[in-house]
Amino acid sequence: EIVLTQSPGTLSLSPGESATFSCRASESVSSNYLAWYQQKRGQAPRLLIFGASSRATGIPDRFTGRGSGTDFTLTISRLEPEDFAVYHCQQYISSPYTFGQGTKLEIK
Amino acid sequence: VQLVQSGAEVKKPGSSVKVSCKASGDIFSSYAFNWVRQAPGQGLEWMGGIIPMYGRPNYGQRFQGRVTINADESTGTAYMELSSLRSEDTAVYYCARSVELGPFDYWGQGTLITVSP
Repeated sequence: EIVLTQSPGTLSLSPGESATFSCRASESVSSNYLAWYQQKRGQAPRLLIFGASSRATGIPDRFTGRGSGTDFTLTISRLEPEDFAVYHCQQYISSPYTFGQGTKLEIK
Repeated sequence: VQLVQSGAEVKKPGSSVKVSCKASGDIFSSYAFNWVRQAPGQGLEWMGGIIPMYGRPNYGQRFQGRVTINADESTGTAYMELSSLRSEDTAVYYCARSVELGPFDYWGQGTLITVSP
C-alpha cells in the first residue's frame, strides 16, 4: 500500500500569513491522483484539491496544490480565520486509497 | 448531492453494526460509495467501497473478512456492516462519494459508533 507522510504535524501561523503543507508518498502516485481535504472540528472532510493541482468547485484561488511523483504540497496564501483546521492528503490511484495522518493548522 | 447517514450507535464488543448512507440529488448507480473511518483524534482510514452498477465491493485488506459493503439501487442507499467489533473500532464512520478512481467529492455527516462493554 502507498503510505502518505504529512509534515509538519502542526503548523502555528497568524491570519494573513501563508501556510505550506507537505505530503510525501512511499511510491510514485501515478497520474498525480492526489487530493487534499480540509476538516474542521466536528465536521466531515471537504475536498479542496484533486489531481494534485485542480481546485474543487467553490475553492478560492488562495489554495494551491503542486507536486508530482512522490512529493506534493498544498499552499494557502493570506490565511483567513476559517482556514484553521486539519488538512489531509489522499491518494486515490491505488487501493487501499490511503490518507496521510493530517496536519493541524492552528492560530498562533 | 446529499449523503445522509444513519444515527449514532453504542455496541458491545463482539457484536456487529450496520451503517446506512442514503444518497439524493444525482445518479446513484454509476458512482462509487466509499467508507472511511476516523478514530478519536486520529486520521482518516479508507475501509472499502462499491460502485452499485458493478455490484462488487472493494475492501481494504485490514478490514477484509470483517466488513461487508453493499448498495440498494432501488432506494439509493449504501450500507457498511462491520462485525466482531472491538474497542478499537470506536470511531466516526463516513460514507463518501467518488467517481471510479476519483477524489471523494461528497461526504455524509458521519456516524459515531462506540464499542463499549
